[in-house]
Amino acid sequence: GAVVSQHPSRVICKSGTSVKIECRSLDFQATTMFWYRQFPKQSLMLMATSNEGSKATYEQGVEKDKFLINHASLTLSTLTVTSAHPEDSSFYICSASVSGVNHEQYFGPGTRLTVT
Amino acid sequence: GNSVTQMEGPVTLSEEAFLTINCTYTATGYPSLFWYVQYPGEGLQLLLKATKADDKGSNKGFEATYRKETTSFHLEKGSVQVSDSAVYFCALRGTGTASKLTFGTGTRLQVML
Repeated sequence: GAVVSQHPSRVICKSGTSVKIECRSLDFQATTMFWYRQFPKQSLMLMATSNEGSKATYEQGVEKDKFLINHASLTLSTLTVTSAHPEDSSFYICSASVSGVNHEQYFGPGTRLTVT
Repeated sequence: GNSVTQMEGPVTLSEEAFLTINCTYTATGYPSLFWYVQYPGEGLQLLLKATKADDKGSNKGFEATYRKETTSFHLEKGSVQVSDSAVYFCALRGTGTASKLTFGTGTRLQVML
């Protein structure tokens, strides 16, 4: 149980285009989803926290107009990287939790984004 | 702010060797501490956790003890297997931070036959 999927697992896009990454909780309803970014040999960096039906809360330094997060249902959250640039190339990981407060997070397998 | 420091990898061991991966943290108050494991091609999985000082988390032969006096949460296993090869992340969740996790950089473990 508590499986989280991400799609796609890998994506290559050209500079200036937008790309959408999906995060789904397959066997539970996630009231809160988290989006992380991971650079090579570095920590996972929390980008934003999203609660179903409300606007995402972004961490300091994360551009909300560039990284659009939608959490329209209890099983799906999407991250759209708008007008992507090579510096946006990274590994993006989502996680989902049930109650959203002090509850275990279940992680997706990640999406490798390469912007050419 | 909160931070987690863990030893750099990769750590390469022979099967049945003893494993220690060091993790120290900086946080105010009384954080909860976690070890996550990421197997190749998979998402992070919670390996073990401890929520207060002197608690010992354990799972699948791995152990870690919450040491407030040394602000540490070192991961140990007495006899590693090839199947333990993965990346291990130490993390903390601070008090009053509503599920936000702060991660270390991860340590890759490679176990050889």
